[in-house]
Amino acid sequence: DADVTQTPRNRITKTGKRIMLECSQTKGHDRMYWYRQDPGLGLRLIYYSFDVKDINKGEISDGYSVSRQAQAKFSLSLESAIPNQTALYFCATSDPGLAGGSDTQYFGPGTRLTVL
Amino acid sequence: GNSVTQMEGPVTLSEEAFLTINCTYTATGYPSLFWYVQYPGEGLQLLLKATKADDKGSNKGFEATYRKETTSFHLEKGSVQVSDSAVYFCALIPFSGGYNKLIFGAGTRLAVHP
Repeated sequence: DADVTQTPRNRITKTGKRIMLECSQTKGHDRMYWYRQDPGLGLRLIYYSFDVKDINKGEISDGYSVSRQAQAKFSLSLESAIPNQTALYFCATSDPGLAGGSDTQYFGPGTRLTVL
Repeated sequence: GNSVTQMEGPVTLSEEAFLTINCTYTATGYPSLFWYVQYPGEGLQLLLKATKADDKGSNKGFEATYRKETTSFHLEKGSVQVSDSAVYFCALIPFSGGYNKLIFGAGTRLAVHP
């Protein structure tokens, strides 16, 4: 079984609709992240969370919100979807361990979202 | 600021050819450097990493050496296979003493033909 899972894997929605993307992990990691991937732009960080009580904005948080329901679950919401939010969305987890800042991130398979 | 620049793709090679994907970075301090790979339809996976100057990361026949003097971390493989076809991302975590965000390059698509 995959360590980081995302649901749904594909979603088509209409402008103005509210949509939630979900991420679950069985790695026992405290840190979780949401990224979006656009062609030619690499991955950009939307939000990240160090633990259940810690939520932080990334570089492109406008139009998005998140909820950390438990250590293992981190959801991304688009309150009112717009076409330029069409992208591939990835969840990731990491555990800094004893080394501190250079922790490896583990990615889910992605959710392809299309906003019409 | 901190940034990563990769060579534009796609890179198209025949099987058993030599691969180089260039990556240069701009960062304050002494960053950790990574290569991630994304196979079709999948999420990113860590391929290799290096955390200090002159370190060489290696995995699955791929290598990259942390060159501080040229601020580079080029990915190489001596003989590519069709199964290496994927998108490769160079990334860094700047060392700043607090939370260190992973910063990605734009990615380079590699296509290997039989």
